[in-house]
Amino acid sequence: GAVVSQHPSWVICKSGTSVKIECRSLDFQATTMFWYRQFPKQSLMLMATSNEGSKATYEQGVEKDKFLINHASLTLSTLTVTSAHPEDSSFYICSASPSGGALDNEQFFGPGTRLTVL
Amino acid sequence: GQNIDQPTEMTATEGAIVQINCTYQTSGFNGLFWYQQHAGEAPTFLSYNVLDGLEEKGRFSSFLSRSKGYSYLLLKELQMKDSASYLCAGRTYTGGFKTIFGAGTRLFVKA
Repeated sequence: GAVVSQHPSWVICKSGTSVKIECRSLDFQATTMFWYRQFPKQSLMLMATSNEGSKATYEQGVEKDKFLINHASLTLSTLTVTSAHPEDSSFYICSASPSGGALDNEQFFGPGTRLTVL
Repeated sequence: GQNIDQPTEMTATEGAIVQINCTYQTSGFNGLFWYQQHAGEAPTFLSYNVLDGLEEKGRFSSFLSRSKGYSYLLLKELQMKDSASYLCAGRTYTGGFKTIFGAGTRLFVKA
C-alpha cells in the first residue's frame, strides 16, 4: 500500500512550451502533497505544498505563476511548468502523506519526473 | 530559519558499521526523517524519530536528541547495495506540516 505515481517519468520539450506533471496517490487519500525539485548531486528542494481544494503554498523564491499547482482531488495534484526554459531542467518529485491514520507521519514519494528543456 | 547539516560524503567497507550524523536548527520542529536515495530514483523512507532515543529497524538504527538538535543514522553489516545518498530531513509545523531536507550524505561502500 501507500503508492504514489507520477506521469510522465521523463519529458523532453522545447524552450517556451509548458509541461504538466501529474502526481497520484494510488491507494490512499492525501489532503496535502508536496512538490520538490532536485538538481544533480543536490538534495530535494521543497517548491510548494499542494492543498486539496485550496491554493498551493509556495516556498520563498519559487515563482507561483511559473509553476502552477492544482490539487483538484484527494488523489491528484498537478504541477505545470509554464514557458519552460533550459534552467528549469531538473528532476521533479512529488510526495504525499496519507490523511490521518498510523502512517500520517510518513511521506511517500513518487518515482520522479525528469524534465529536459532544449 | 531552517538549517540541516550532514557530511557530504563517507566511505566504508562492506560488513562494517557506519554512522551518518545530522544536526538541525528548525523552527516548529516536529520530528526527523532519514531517507535513502539511489541515483536517479526517488527517496525511500528509512526512519522517523519524534522522541529522544534510539530506534532500531533491522540493520538500520536512528537516534535523536531534540535538546542537542542532533540525529544519526547507523548502518550495520554494510552491503554494497547500501551505496546511496542518505537524506536527513526535519519535519516542521509552521501553520502546516512540511519536510525540509539536508543536502544528503553520499555513502560509498567498498569491498
